[in-house]
Amino acid sequence: SQTIHQWPATLVQPVGSPLSLECTVEGTSNPNLYWYRQAAGRGLQLLFYSVGIGQISSEVPQNLSASRPQDRQFILSSKKLLLSDSGFYLCVLRAGLWGDTQYFGPGTRLTVL
Amino acid sequence: GIQVEQSPPDLILQEGANSTLRCNFSDSVNNLQWFHQNPWGQLINLFYIPSGTKQNGRLSATTVATERYSLLYISSSQTTDSGVYFCAVGSGNTPLVFGKGTRLSVIA
Repeated sequence: SQTIHQWPATLVQPVGSPLSLECTVEGTSNPNLYWYRQAAGRGLQLLFYSVGIGQISSEVPQNLSASRPQDRQFILSSKKLLLSDSGFYLCVLRAGLWGDTQYFGPGTRLTVL
Repeated sequence: GIQVEQSPPDLILQEGANSTLRCNFSDSVNNLQWFHQNPWGQLINLFYIPSGTKQNGRLSATTVATERYSLLYISSSQTTDSGVYFCAVGSGNTPLVFGKGTRLSVIA
């Protein structure tokens, strides 16, 4: 079965510092992967999604970027963090014939000070 | 884009009580799912229910696609049911759009 790994689990970063969050998946190939952010403990906002290596779709214009360097690796980055980037970042794998099954990573809790 | 509204935003229940959570959406969808996020942040799939009714133990869900709403029923609630319940919708292969959730607290 599919497994999603995310690291780090928690992160405290100063404003203006860079960011790199990594998501790797096991048990599947050519997965559809998504980055969501949950701020203030409510609501999941879609940030990026990828249907394959090098293919990134952005849903929100921000100081964040994403990359898909390998089939089972999805990276979220920033060159300069803002206070508003704080939140809980989830990597999600979508599977099933109709995309009816979501596998969620354990998440990264980011605090920007 | 499609809008998803969940109600109520917060709900406090005594253990053993029943509850109904609602999800309204603004456009036709062919994918609707309910999720539970536990207090530690982990999300779990509950139902894939673009239409009709499904039941799983004390939980059941009904979606009336023509009227653009879905209901999640929790019966005989337990403290372990606490957390945030999300409804998410989509069409085709478009990414799911999540509602803001209903935060449920079940008190012993």
